[in-house]
Amino acid sequence: EDQVTQSPEALRLQEGESSSLNCSYTVSGLRGLFWYRQDPGKGPEFLFTLYSAGEEKEKERLKATLTKKESFLHITAPKPEDSATYLCAVQAWQAGTALIFGKGTTLSVSS
Amino acid sequence: NAGVTQTPKFQVLKTGQSMTLQCAQDMNHNSMYWYRQDPGMGLRLIYYSASEGTTDKGEVPNGYNVSRLNKREFSLRLESAAPSQTSVYFCASSEDNGSIYGYTFGSGTRLTVV
Repeated sequence: EDQVTQSPEALRLQEGESSSLNCSYTVSGLRGLFWYRQDPGKGPEFLFTLYSAGEEKEKERLKATLTKKESFLHITAPKPEDSATYLCAVQAWQAGTALIFGKGTTLSVSS
Repeated sequence: NAGVTQTPKFQVLKTGQSMTLQCAQDMNHNSMYWYRQDPGMGLRLIYYSASEGTTDKGEVPNGYNVSRLNKREFSLRLESAAPSQTSVYFCASSEDNGSIYGYTFGSGTRLTVV
């Protein structure tokens, strides 16, 4: 069964304190791994897609990396506006276009 | 350019009532999806439509029906609402497998069944 596990469930950081969010996955044939950001009361917003182990992508203070079993979302020198829930999802070759989501990590950054 | 539009934004139903959640996208995407989001459960796929004229069950389809009315519109129907269907419902769309630009999500429908 395809599965996505995110940790920690919640993370509190001080502004400027770098850290990483983890996404472990089990999928029979990874087509892509996705990261989304979700603000309270809104729909998820696309951040990155990673396709193969060793791949990295960056956007402002965020950098996503991928191995054969997990992905990390590194947050460098976070700001309060980075506070949100970060969702990881996988897409399997045999499942067509559907995504399987993890439960998310809620990040709070205080100034 | 509205993206994905969901209506209504909020709804309260009594147990046993029926309703249809509407979703429309203006990005000419082939694929559309319905997810529900519950505290502690994450986003779970209810139904999806890979292209106009096709629909497939996701992880939690029981109690729901869908209609892909045309390329733009994908509706979700609750025939006899139950308290277990209290949730936030998100519609999304993607071009093909959504890998380059991801899915585009609507802002959600918050449904309460009493």
